[in-house]
Amino acid sequence: NAGVTQTPKFQVLKTGQSMTLQCAQDMNHNSMYWYRQDPGMGLRLIYYSASEGTTDKGEVPNGYNVSRLNKREFSLRLESAAPSQTSVYFCASSERERETDTQYFGPGTRLTVL
Amino acid sequence: AQSVTQLDSQVPVFEEAPVELRCNYSSSVSVYLFWYVQYPNQGLQLLLKYLSGSTLVKGINGFEAEFNKSQTSFHLRKPSVHISDTAEYFCAVGGNKFYFGSGTKLNVKP
Repeated sequence: NAGVTQTPKFQVLKTGQSMTLQCAQDMNHNSMYWYRQDPGMGLRLIYYSASEGTTDKGEVPNGYNVSRLNKREFSLRLESAAPSQTSVYFCASSERERETDTQYFGPGTRLTVL
Repeated sequence: AQSVTQLDSQVPVFEEAPVELRCNYSSSVSVYLFWYVQYPNQGLQLLLKYLSGSTLVKGINGFEAEFNKSQTSFHLRKPSVHISDTAEYFCAVGGNKFYFGSGTKLNVKP
């Protein structure tokens, strides 16, 4: 039982390049989330998927797209990376999209955009 | 609208001393409060959560937090910290959406 896994762990991009961050969970959770973590700002929600087949914008969606490939997998795509997207990205999942549900986090992807 | 304020960005403390990490929230809807811990180079994991009932919530690793509705606070406490408690701690509020505070880095010194 691996929980929430993310790939890659580290990535360096040049401005304008694209990439996809991968996330998978093996807990049969319905809801999945993408956050970014910046110093002094805590975690901010980028996109979330309440259930398979649905996605919704969070607090900071600009410059990102997501795909809920199936119940297990939720990917985050940067179409044209910018230095402002340098951050640590966390994927999380929860049983349901309920305000009472615990979220389980992956280990993170550290992205640097030059 | 909901928000969370963590008043201290860093808290240094000596081993075996007590510690309190402060969290204040604002919410116009029902309040569900969480504390998460992030150890270096890891993801976040749940310490404890308040959903309803007793205002004193006990979590893992000897931590506890008290929900105070009149002061809109949910401070995290531990009576005696260990070196292994060195980490960043995040308060979060769940309601219409989930919001995290900016984090408090706890540095336990020997």
